[in-house]
Amino acid sequence: GAVVSQHPSRVICKSGTSVKIECRSLDFQATTMFWYRQFPKQSLMLMATSNEGSKATYEQGVEKDKFLINHASLTLSTLTVTSAHPEDSSFYICSARFQGAHEQYFGPGTRLTVT
Amino acid sequence: GQQLNQSPQSMFIQEGEDVSMNCTSSSIFNTWLWYKQDPGEGPVLLIALYKAGELTSNGRLTAQFGITRKDSFLNISASIPSDVGIYFCAGQLGGYGNKLVFGAGTILRVKS
Repeated sequence: GAVVSQHPSRVICKSGTSVKIECRSLDFQATTMFWYRQFPKQSLMLMATSNEGSKATYEQGVEKDKFLINHASLTLSTLTVTSAHPEDSSFYICSARFQGAHEQYFGPGTRLTVT
Repeated sequence: GQQLNQSPQSMFIQEGEDVSMNCTSSSIFNTWLWYKQDPGEGPVLLIALYKAGELTSNGRLTAQFGITRKDSFLNISASIPSDVGIYFCAGQLGGYGNKLVFGAGTILRVKS
C-alpha cells in the first residue's frame, strides 16, 4: 500500500518551454502532497506543500509563478515548470500524505533536463 | 531554521558487518522517519517512530527515537550488498500537517 507514481520519469525540454509533472497516489487519498527538488549528492529540498482544493504553500525562495502547483483531486497533484531554463534541470520528487498520518510516501522522481 | 545533523556522511563497510547511523538536532521532534534512496529513485520509507524512547525493527533494521526527542539512530545488522544507497533521517515538528526536516544523508557502500 501507499504507492505514489510520477510521470514522466524523465523529460528533456528546450529552454523557454514549460513542462508538467504529474504525481498520483495510487491506492490512497492524499490530503497533502509535497514537491521536492534534489541536486546530485544532496538532500531533498522542499519546494511547496499542496492541500487538495487550496493554493499551494511555497517555501522561501521558491518562485510560485515559475513552479505552478495544482492539487485538483485527492489523488493528483501537478507541478508545472514554466519558461524552463538550464538551471531548472534537476530531480523533482513528490510525496503524499493521507489524512491523519505523519509519514510521507515518495514517488520515484522525475529527471528534468533543460537544454 | 531547524536542522538535522546526520552522521556519518558516508560509510564503506564489509558485507556482514553491522552499521549504525544517527541524527541529532537542537529542536524537539514529534516524529522521526528513516528513508532509503537508491540512485535515480525516490526515497522509500523504512521505519517510522512516534514516541520518545520507542525502539522499532523492520527486518534487519532497528531504529530508536531518542528520549530527549532530539535524536534518532538507525542500525542495520549483517549488511548485504543491496543495503547500498543513501539513508535519510527526517524529523517532523508539531502535528500532522507539518513538513519534514531532512538530514543530509548517509551514503552506505558495502564491500562484498
